[in-house]
Amino acid sequence: DGGITQSPKYLFRKEGQNVTLSCEQNLNHDAMYWYRQDPGQGLRLIYYSQIVNDFQKGDIAEGYSVSREKKESFPLTVTSAQKNPTAFYLCASTSEGRDREGEGYGYTFGSGTRLTVV
Amino acid sequence: GIQVEQSPPDLILQEGANSTLRCNFSDSVNNLQWFHQNPWGQLINLFYIPSGTKQNGRLSATTVATERYSLLYISSSQTTDSGVYFCAVGNTGTASKLTFGTGTRLQVTL
Repeated sequence: DGGITQSPKYLFRKEGQNVTLSCEQNLNHDAMYWYRQDPGQGLRLIYYSQIVNDFQKGDIAEGYSVSREKKESFPLTVTSAQKNPTAFYLCASTSEGRDREGEGYGYTFGSGTRLTVV
Repeated sequence: GIQVEQSPPDLILQEGANSTLRCNFSDSVNNLQWFHQNPWGQLINLFYIPSGTKQNGRLSATTVATERYSLLYISSSQTTDSGVYFCAVGNTGTASKLTFGTGTRLQVTL
C-alpha cells in the first residue's frame, strides 16, 4: 500500500544533541513538507520541497535543516540551535498535478514523530 | 501572511447530532483543505475544496471563496468523529504550502 512512513514514533533528545527524523513516501509525490505541532495548536510549516535537490524555508525554519536527495525521502534534522524542540513533527506529501476534473490534490500525512528533550 | 480562524474552538455533541464548523481566511486562496486529526495524532484529508461544495458520506463542505470562508458539515455524528478538525489554506500554486488554523476540537458523547 502507498503511504508516508515516519520514524521513529518517539524520540528523546539530550540538550545540545542533533537528531534526524525520517520521512519516506512511496506515492510518487513531487512535493514534501515538514510541520511542527505544539499541544493544542495548529501546524506550522518548517521546510518544504517541490523537487529533488531543492527546498525552501517555511515559517519556523530556524534550528532545523533538511535535504532532498531522493524523491521518496525528506529527512529533517533538529539541531542544537533549536531552543525548544519538544513537539509533534508531521511530514506530508502531495502531487503537483491536477486530477481528471482539473483539481489539485490533497495532502497525505505520515503518523508523526513525538520529540522530547530530556 | 494569510490568517486562518476557525470556530468554534471546542464543541461537544451527543451522538446523532449535526454540527457546522467554520473557517475564515484573510486573503484569496487557490487551495483549501479540511483535515481530521484523531486522538493518536494521525491527520486525514477530508476535502480539497478551494471553492464550491463537496459531499462524502455524512460529511460535506462548502467554500465561498469570494467571501473568504468555508464550512464543514457533520451530520448524524458518531463517537469516531471525535478529534480535531483543521482547515488549511494556500495561495501559491497547485501544490502550495498550507497555513493551518488552530482547529475545532470535537467530542461526540453517547
